[in-house]
Amino acid sequence: NAGVMQNPRHLVRRRGQEARLRCSPMKGHSHVYWYRQLPEEGLKFMVYLQKENIIDESGMPKERFSAEFPKEGPSILRIQQVVRGDSAAYFCASSQGQGSNTGELFFGEGSRLTVL
Amino acid sequence: AQRVTQPEKLLSVFKGAPVELKCNYSYSGSPELFWYVQYSRQRLQLLLRHISRESIKGFTADLNKGETSFHLKKPFAQEEDSAMYYCALSGSSGGSNYKLTFGKGTLLTVNP
Repeated sequence: NAGVMQNPRHLVRRRGQEARLRCSPMKGHSHVYWYRQLPEEGLKFMVYLQKENIIDESGMPKERFSAEFPKEGPSILRIQQVVRGDSAAYFCASSQGQGSNTGELFFGEGSRLTVL
Repeated sequence: AQRVTQPEKLLSVFKGAPVELKCNYSYSGSPELFWYVQYSRQRLQLLLRHISRESIKGFTADLNKGETSFHLKKPFAQEEDSAMYYCALSGSSGGSNYKLTFGKGTLLTVNP
């Protein structure tokens, strides 16, 4: 089992461009979570998705950010019109059930976005 | 509001010495506490959780509700313990236990 796969690992964008980050959950996992880690900060929850459904997007900025987890293919975190403050590491995690009572999420290696 | 504080950004010890990574939390309900570890060039992974009361790789952590702490301890550090350690909290009510709040992390270096 290859674990949670994220790509690209590194992405550089200029201000105003769009960034798309992809996440394939572990085999057998149907729940996906996105976290963001700003420089010198801890990871912060953004959004929780199941196939074709957004369950909780309470941590997502209201504008420019969107996420999806289609029936086929990876989950995608999309950031439109990026600004320098979007520079961060974006981590995807997956779980078999809803986070399980043990809270064990399996994380990917992260995608590091740099906005010039 | 949930908050996790790891007061030490960096911690350096010698091999064989005891190590304690501090974690304090703020949460109005009954929390679940976790320690995650990230070794060099590897992904973040769960080390241990307070409800299981287990020892992993020689590490233990006890939840102290009076002091709102969940410090990670190991009596004899090994070089392979060098890593970034994150303390995390999730609210145990309402089914939102996927919403982890992380501390900023402590980088542990174990010197030979």
